[in-house]
Amino acid sequence: DIQMTQSPSSLSASVGDRVTITCQASQEINSYLNWYQQKPGKAPKLLIYDASSLETGVPSRFSGSGFGTDFTFTISSLQPEDIATYYCQQYDTLITFGQGTRLEIK
Amino acid sequence: QVQLQESGPGLVKPSETLSLTCTVSGGSIGRYFWSWIRQPAGKGLEWIGRISSSGSTSYNPSLKSRVSMSVDASKNQFSLKLTSMTAADTAVYFCARSRGATLFDYWGQGSLVTVSS
Repeated sequence: DIQMTQSPSSLSASVGDRVTITCQASQEINSYLNWYQQKPGKAPKLLIYDASSLETGVPSRFSGSGFGTDFTFTISSLQPEDIATYYCQQYDTLITFGQGTRLEIK
Repeated sequence: QVQLQESGPGLVKPSETLSLTCTVSGGSIGRYFWSWIRQPAGKGLEWIGRISSSGSTSYNPSLKSRVSMSVDASKNQFSLKLTSMTAADTAVYFCARSRGATLFDYWGQGSLVTVSS
């Protein structure tokens, strides 16, 4: 099984800050990685697919990068509505999610 | 606009079988993969498995012995069965559409399933 490790598990930042979350795969997964945003009581929402492609309709302040085992998710300028938990997800071998990163406003 | 809606019992007794159905509206069930994902309260997401519109399945190895999925294209529905339920299976169960079996672009609102006698 491919394990996905996200860091940090929680993060506090101010509006306007640049926020970065990392996701590490236990083995090479090429660029087979997606990022989701989940707000309390809601289903996850796809933000980034194939490591760096922005899903249609998602604001451009969200971006992703990486290849192989190490991946990064960035919010260039944090907005109040970005408060949520973020998950990475690999699809190289079946499906595995990271444990999530809870983002709070400082 | 594609919409997914889970339906099924909110309460299941220990050792019994959970049966959930997801109804797809606003689009055809054909040409996509359809997954079940669950989330215990306050915890992360766990992929349970997927089924194609033609009935081909893949399951999470950790649940494979207890899971089965089926699809009814005539009703635009797909279903999950999870046997031998325990308290550890208490979670919100989501159904979701997969584009190319790689990402999840449409989700149901989630169905809370509690395992308790």
